[in-house]
Amino acid sequence: NAGVTQTPKFRVLKTGQSMTLLCAQDMNHEYMYWYRQDPGMGLRLIHYSVGEGTTAKGEVPDGYNVSRLKKQNFLLGLESAAPSQTSVYFCASSEGPGQFDYGYTFGSGTRLTVV
Amino acid sequence: QQQVKQSPQSLIVQKGGIPIINCAYENTAFDYFPWYQQFPGKGPALLIAIRPDVSEKKEGRFTISFNKSAKQFSLHIMDSQPGDSATYFCAASRMDTGRRALTFGSGTRLQVQP
Repeated sequence: NAGVTQTPKFRVLKTGQSMTLLCAQDMNHEYMYWYRQDPGMGLRLIHYSVGEGTTAKGEVPDGYNVSRLKKQNFLLGLESAAPSQTSVYFCASSEGPGQFDYGYTFGSGTRLTVV
Repeated sequence: QQQVKQSPQSLIVQKGGIPIINCAYENTAFDYFPWYQQFPGKGPALLIAIRPDVSEKKEGRFTISFNKSAKQFSLHIMDSQPGDSATYFCAASRMDTGRRALTFGSGTRLQVQP
């Protein structure tokens, strides 16, 4: 059981380039999330999805776009990368809303450097 | 605006010591408080969680203490081991527009020395 798989694991981009980060989960979870992790900032929510075909903005959505065409996949796109987007990106998934004692399952992360 | 404040930023203890990590929140709408553990190169993983109707929860060597009136909660690791060396994140959860929203603290890097 793979859980949440992120690809790629590492990437170096030049300023202005575009790329897509892929997240796949095999737990049939409804909810999926994209976070970025920066030193001293914890994890900040970029975008999330409450089901196939839906997306919504999180805390820091500017410069990113997402799509959830299939329930198991959640894509994060950078159309024109900037050095400020250098970060470690984590995808997570969870079961439906309104329940206690459920946790998020995180992927192992994508380390992105924009030069 | 950081809704969950976590301290300290880093912590070094000797094996067998009891590291304590503290978190504070302001929003009284939070109603579920999980802790996540993250090892280098890995994603965070749920460690233990507490609801505000109890003051303490223990799971193995990990204990959460919760003070609802002070809006504070803390993680204690009993008999800490070098394998506990990791970054720990507290979090607070609330319902927000039909979904359960999770807000993370800034993290504490724990090093347990042999």
